[in-house]
Amino acid sequence: SQQGEEDPQALSIQEGENATMNCSYKTSINNLQWYRQNSGRGLVHLILIRSNEREKHSGRLRVTLDTSKKSSSLLITASRAADTASYFCATDAKGNSKLTFGKGITLSVRP
Amino acid sequence: DTGVSQDPRHKITKRGQNVTFRCDPISEHNRLYWYRQTLGQGPEFLTYFQNEAQLEKSRLLSDRFSAERPKGSFSTLEIQRTEQGDSAMYLCASSPGSAGGYNEQFFGPGTRLTVL
Repeated sequence: SQQGEEDPQALSIQEGENATMNCSYKTSINNLQWYRQNSGRGLVHLILIRSNEREKHSGRLRVTLDTSKKSSSLLITASRAADTASYFCATDAKGNSKLTFGKGITLSVRP
Repeated sequence: DTGVSQDPRHKITKRGQNVTFRCDPISEHNRLYWYRQTLGQGPEFLTYFQNEAQLEKSRLLSDRFSAERPKGSFSTLEIQRTEQGDSAMYLCASSPGSAGGYNEQFFGPGTRLTVL
């Protein structure tokens, strides 16, 4: 069963704009990770945030985590056409390393 | 490229045939995972190994599925008597399994299985 739910399901923006994607989950987590997947390809690891962290940055990516609301957001700044992909959040629980994924968000960045 | 590799990338088979997929993890990673992804869905966990020990299997892994990781290096996933419902992308991932609790999993390109 899917633990996370991403929101929105699809997002279309103009190149240069910022993209914000949200993820909610149901049970306590150890880590939350965001992945990108280009059509028909494998998943690329973007960023991991631990349950005791609130914000993390990596290049144009900013991830926040609110464990009281069981939610996370991924912000991509100054988007590029190459950012067009599906984005997934995935969680794991303490003592269990398997990842539970949401259904994903389809991001389209128009040139 | 020292990332996770999977072979084959595509497999088309007829219903009832057996298929086997291989995954080579990042060399220093001791954890290896298999996931299955169907169209429009996120990946779903199938099973994982710590070195050569298979530590957890999902209920999705019916008795037609078997996975091995001899010597704790590469892994194989075999599906016997394939059914059309087995058509999916099979993804392999590996992680260092660090004691610090980080669990970054790095994925291979996947094997796309089509059962006719």
